Amino acid sequence: SAVISQKPSRDICQRGTSLTIQCQVDSQVTMMFWYRQQPGQSLTLIATANQGSEATYESGFVIDKFPISRPNLTFSTLTVSNMSPEDSSIYLCSVVWGSSTEAFFGQGTRLTVV
Amino acid sequence: GESVGLHLPTLSVQEGDNSIINCAYSNSASDYFIWYKQESGKGPQFIIDIRSNMDKRQGQRVTVLLNKTVKHLSLQIAATQPGDSAVYFCAENRGAQKLVFGQGTRLTINP
Repeated sequence: SAVISQKPSRDICQRGTSLTIQCQVDSQVTMMFWYRQQPGQSLTLIATANQGSEATYESGFVIDKFPISRPNLTFSTLTVSNMSPEDSSIYLCSVVWGSSTEAFFGQGTRLTVV
Repeated sequence: GESVGLHLPTLSVQEGDNSIINCAYSNSASDYFIWYKQESGKGPQFIIDIRSNMDKRQGQRVTVLLNKTVKHLSLQIAATQPGDSAVYFCAENRGAQKLVFGQGTRLTINP
């Protein structure tokens, strides 16, 4: 499998600010996703990052709060906007290659909002 | 609404014993399921998957069983080792590779 790199790996941010998380893959992928994992909980899909077009958001997540970019087949960003302590979570990038059904995950970005 | 859930949040086993982690799902139309392992500070790691046209699938030391009648999924780990300590998630592929995850079971290994 290819390498999925997320930056930053962790951050502590002030409420009201925004943080942009990057996901870089070392080979072209078909699909890219962003998940959130709240403390001690499971993963929830935020959105599908679509190359060259607006992301597709799941119920409960909106573009104004979680703007996503995917300028090419190997890179995506997720921004957590106007952060509050409730946004403290691990944010994970996931990718799928070609026609595979197997999804691979980055190591995650641990965000703490104070 | 539709959900994927687990019976137990924690499981402790003796090293060398077999572990069984259970998962219930409610979407009868689901046709693809995956088990992931998540170690502390890491992203989920694919373990094994199974399609709804199968009842059982085996990997290296792991077996997944699917009972569509009662909508139940299980992961069996043979001869559990300390490196198996992690949180295990079942996930359901809802189409377009979107995953719905269960709540997770923390597996701890006693020496």
